[in-house]
This record gives sequence, structure tokens and C-alpha cells, in this order.
Amino acid sequence: GAVVSQHPSRVICKSGTSVKIECRSLDFQATTMFWYRQFPKKSLMLMATSNEGSKATYEQGVEKDKFLINHASLTLSTLTVTSAHPEDSSFYICSAFSGTTYNEQFFGPGTRLTVL
Amino acid sequence: LAKTTQPISMDSYEGQEVNITCSHNNIATNDYITWYQQFPSQGPRFIIQGYKTKVTNEVASLFIPADRKSSTLSLPRVSLSDTAVYYCLVGDKVDSSYKLIFGSGTRLLVRP
Repeated sequence: GAVVSQHPSRVICKSGTSVKIECRSLDFQATTMFWYRQFPKKSLMLMATSNEGSKATYEQGVEKDKFLINHASLTLSTLTVTSAHPEDSSFYICSAFSGTTYNEQFFGPGTRLTVL
Repeated sequence: LAKTTQPISMDSYEGQEVNITCSHNNIATNDYITWYQQFPSQGPRFIIQGYKTKVTNEVASLFIPADRKSSTLSLPRVSLSDTAVYYCLVGDKVDSSYKLIFGSGTRLLVRP
């Protein structure tokens, strides 16, 4: 089946620093990738939709200048959390849509971000 | 807003069949129904997808009535490892792909 990876799996950083999270589709080309965040015992919240070669579309309430998304190729999307604060600590998950399997998204394993 | 409603939690015992029902009263004509499973600190895993009637794969069955306003995920003979959160989603078409809005999910606890 289709595999999506994320790197790093967990990261700890200091307040004010920026952190980049990578999402890769390993065995298929992803026309669209999605970024979610999840707080403990809560559901996934969609942050943005990322299409290769174009600007990301952010959900209402998500700061585009704080969560920079780049989708430079059909297999890689990155999420950069800029000037991180402790409240940005969360579980970040990406998913990828190949466009060939109707309505099925493949999720990455997630990245645990802790901001001190 | 999530387009689906599910029970917050369910309890079961090993070996039993578990049925989780999801309500999606405003499902659109083009929407498919997809179920995902999530373990703690992991990304969701695709379980099954359907449009109407019944779909079965190696891990579950999905029952969708004719009006498509609800669906039922059936897990036969659950084991302890099936303890997880189960999400029912209907797609929201954005260009050529689907945006998934997660609801609260159903937290299934399987007891010995």
C-alpha cells in the first residue's frame, strides 16, 4: 500500500525558534497533501491543504505566517512552525492524496513537537 | 464543522462483534464514506470506504442504507488490539481531491 513518512518523529525546541517538519510520499506521487494538528485526546484538526507548485490553502483561524507550508515536489511537503511557542506543542500529522484512489488519503505517522 | 456524528465511546469484549454507527444527514451525492482507525501517537489508518449498500474487506464491513444518511462499521470478533479511536468521515471535494474534516470519533475499548 501507499506509504507516507514524516521526519522527524519527535522534536523538542526552545521558544522563539523555527522547526521544519517533512512529509514524504514514498511510493506514489501526491497531487495534494494535507496538514493536521492533534492535541491530546482530541480529534485531528485540518490546518491546510497543500498542492504541488502552488500556495497552500489554510483553514480559518490558522495563521499562514506562523505555519509555513511548501509543496515543492509531488513527493514532498514541508511545514515550518515559525517562532514557536509552548502552545504550538502538539502532534502534527500529514496526509497525501494520490488522485488515483478515490477519496482515500494516506496518513503519515505524525510528528510530536514540544516547545519549551 | 464535521459532517458526521458518532458515539463518543463504546466498550466491548474480546471475540464480540462491534458495530459503530455514524450519522451523516447532509451527505452530498458525490460523497464517499470512509472509516479510519487511530492508535495513540500514530497517524490514522484507512479501514474501509463505501458509497452505498455493503462493502467488506479483510478487516471490516461497512453497511450503508439506501438513503446514505448513516453508515455502520462492523468489526467481527474484536481483539484487545482493536482498542483505538474510530473516525467516520465523508469527503468534502476541493478541486480534484477531498478534504477530510474529522469529527470526535468513537473511542472503542476492548476488554479481556
